[in-house]
Amino acid sequence: DAKTTQPPSMDCAEGRAANLPCNHSTISGNEYVYWYRQIHSQGPQYIIHGLKNNETNEMASLIITEDRKSSTLILPHATLRDTAVYYCIVRTYGGSQGNLIFGKGTKLSVKP
Amino acid sequence: DGGITQSPKYLFRKEGQNVTLSCEQNLNHDAMYWYRQDPGQGLRLIYYSQIVNDFQKGDIAEGYSVSREKKESFPLTVTSAQKNPTAFYLCASTLSRNTEAFFGQGTRLTVV
Repeated sequence: DAKTTQPPSMDCAEGRAANLPCNHSTISGNEYVYWYRQIHSQGPQYIIHGLKNNETNEMASLIITEDRKSSTLILPHATLRDTAVYYCIVRTYGGSQGNLIFGKGTKLSVKP
Repeated sequence: DGGITQSPKYLFRKEGQNVTLSCEQNLNHDAMYWYRQDPGQGLRLIYYSQIVNDFQKGDIAEGYSVSREKKESFPLTVTSAQKNPTAFYLCASTLSRNTEAFFGQGTRLTVV
C-alpha cells in the first residue's frame, strides 16, 4: 500500500498558485519525499524531491513540515498545461533501492 | 539522447495469447520497474529489478513474468494467466536510491 495520502482532486485558477498537500505520517527518518506528475496517457514526470529542508527548482517548490509528516507542492503560477495527476511518494535512501509505490494521486484541474 | 523507451505504443492481443512488452534504457540505470495503470487509477507495481539477473514481485505480479538478462533491458510478458490484461503499462528506471525515476511513454495493451 502507498505510504501517502492525497486529496483525489483539486481546482486552481490559471495564474494563481496551486498548493497540493500530501500526508505521510509514517515516514521514516531515511525516506525522501518525491513528487511526480502525469499528463493524460503519458509517463509520469519527475518534479522535485526533498528530505527535510524546503526545496525549490524551476518547476515547483516543496515545503516539508518540521515533523516531516506532511508536505505541500507549490506551483507558483499555474498554467493550463499544469493540468495533470500529481503523485507524492516516499522512498528510502538507505539500503537497497527497494520499490517505488505510487498511490492514486491528486488530479489538478487548472481553469481559465 | 539518453532515455527510456517502451515499445510498441499500442498492442492488441487475442485472448489466450502471451505478449511481451519491451522496455529499454540507455541511462546506465541499475533498477527498473514495471507498473500497470487502469483508467482513473494510480500506478500499481508489477515487478522490479535492482540488478541484472535479479527481480522481485510487486503488488500484482500474478499473470506476469519478467527477465533481466541485460542492464538496459527489462521485458514484461503478459501471460494468458492474467485474467484482465487490458491496461496501460509503464516502465521506469532509477540510477540509485537517491535519484528520481525516469518513465517511458507507456504501452497500451488491449485484449480483443
